[in-house]
Amino acid sequence: GQSLEQPSEVTAVEGAIVQINCTYQTSGFYGLSWYQQHDGGAPTFLSYNGLDGLEETGRFSSFLSRSDSYGYLLLQELQMKDSASYFCAVRKGGSTLGRLYFGRGTQLTVWP
Amino acid sequence: EPEVTQTPSHQVTQMGQEVILRCVPISNHLYFYWYRQILGQKVEFLVSFYNNEISEKSEIFDDQFSVERPDGSNFTLKIRSTKLEDSAMYFCASSERGTAETQYFGPGTRLLVL
Repeated sequence: GQSLEQPSEVTAVEGAIVQINCTYQTSGFYGLSWYQQHDGGAPTFLSYNGLDGLEETGRFSSFLSRSDSYGYLLLQELQMKDSASYFCAVRKGGSTLGRLYFGRGTQLTVWP
Repeated sequence: EPEVTQTPSHQVTQMGQEVILRCVPISNHLYFYWYRQILGQKVEFLVSFYNNEISEKSEIFDDQFSVERPDGSNFTLKIRSTKLEDSAMYFCASSERGTAETQYFGPGTRLLVL
């Protein structure tokens, strides 16, 4: 099987930087995705790491270390609208390539 | 921007009844997925579909579930005899290819089984 661990809650103030960590245990690891979900809404793709290192997309960056089975999502210049749940999701290779295995999510609350 | 659409947004049904959840994936996408999310829990994979057949299904996707692409645009999930524990948000997703980094999720159908 596979397991993903991420903090259940994180809080921060507007303008701050926050890092959401994700550690995983799985065989056949292919890549790590990050999705954002506002209350009751659809998961929205944020970032993907197939290789080690940092991927930057505007205010959001994601990092992966395959050797440490670890990744993180970095959110900069936080805004109130960033309050949401953030999920890391593992992609495995082979016949399961399209399938996403989600973590339990981190609820981010941004305070004014 | 193209988006995945789902109908209905909410469905209430009696235990034992059949429900069909409908999705219209993004038009040039070839891979389709159903996920579900029980309230307060993580998103769970149900099934993937490509070239008019199931590519993979999870242990949740038992004989009570089926998927179909009845025409060139719709993708449906049928639950034959609903159980209380089927109450969840059901998300449809699509991607251009199986290796695509991004899966695009629809807004979901909230299913409540009484």
